Amino acid sequence: NAGVTQTPKFRILKIGQSMTLQCTQDMNHNYMYWYRQDPGMGLKLIYYSVGAGITDKGEVPNGYNVSRSTTEDFPLRLELAAPSQTSVYFCASSYSDEQFFGPGTRLTVL
Amino acid sequence: QKEVEQDPGPLSVPEGAIVSLNCTYSNSAFQYFMWYRQYSRKGPELLMYTYSSGNKEDGRFTAQVDKSSKYISLFIRDSQPSDSATYLCAMRENSGGSNYKLTFGKGTLLTVNP
Repeated sequence: NAGVTQTPKFRILKIGQSMTLQCTQDMNHNYMYWYRQDPGMGLKLIYYSVGAGITDKGEVPNGYNVSRSTTEDFPLRLELAAPSQTSVYFCASSYSDEQFFGPGTRLTVL
Repeated sequence: QKEVEQDPGPLSVPEGAIVSLNCTYSNSAFQYFMWYRQYSRKGPELLMYTYSSGNKEDGRFTAQVDKSSKYISLFIRDSQPSDSATYLCAMRENSGGSNYKLTFGKGTLLTVNP
């Protein structure tokens, strides 16, 4: 099992550009999550999903969108990138309290 | 007051020391408590999981929960350089398992020096 995979690993965006962060899990987990982690700030929940076709906002959803068309995939969309979205983004999946995290995507918006 | 408070450190100790990491919380609805470990440039991984007040031991690690004081701790005995990482506390309300949303502390950066 590959676990949770994320692409790309790194990306530099210009202000106003759009991009999609990909997340795939092969553990058949119903629950999936997107977090952002800023230095010294812990993990902030952006969006989560309890199953295919069901998504909901987390603590910091502004500027982001998600979809969940399959159990395996949970992409995160940034429509108009802003410098405040410079961060490390982690995707996670779970069937209970143990969340399994991907390796992260480091995004810089200039 | 933030829901979960955790001293970000950094904390630097010599090899073999006993390490104490702590979090306080304000939401009395939190019922499930976890410690995640995050190595540099990696995703977090679950280290300890507790539900009730009291202690839970796993090898060199002990997790302690005091719900009356809204205080949780992680103790690391005989610390090793391989324990150098960021430790994040996390907790969850009893939502009947409907979403397993966790609230994380900011994390404490620990360095164990050989």
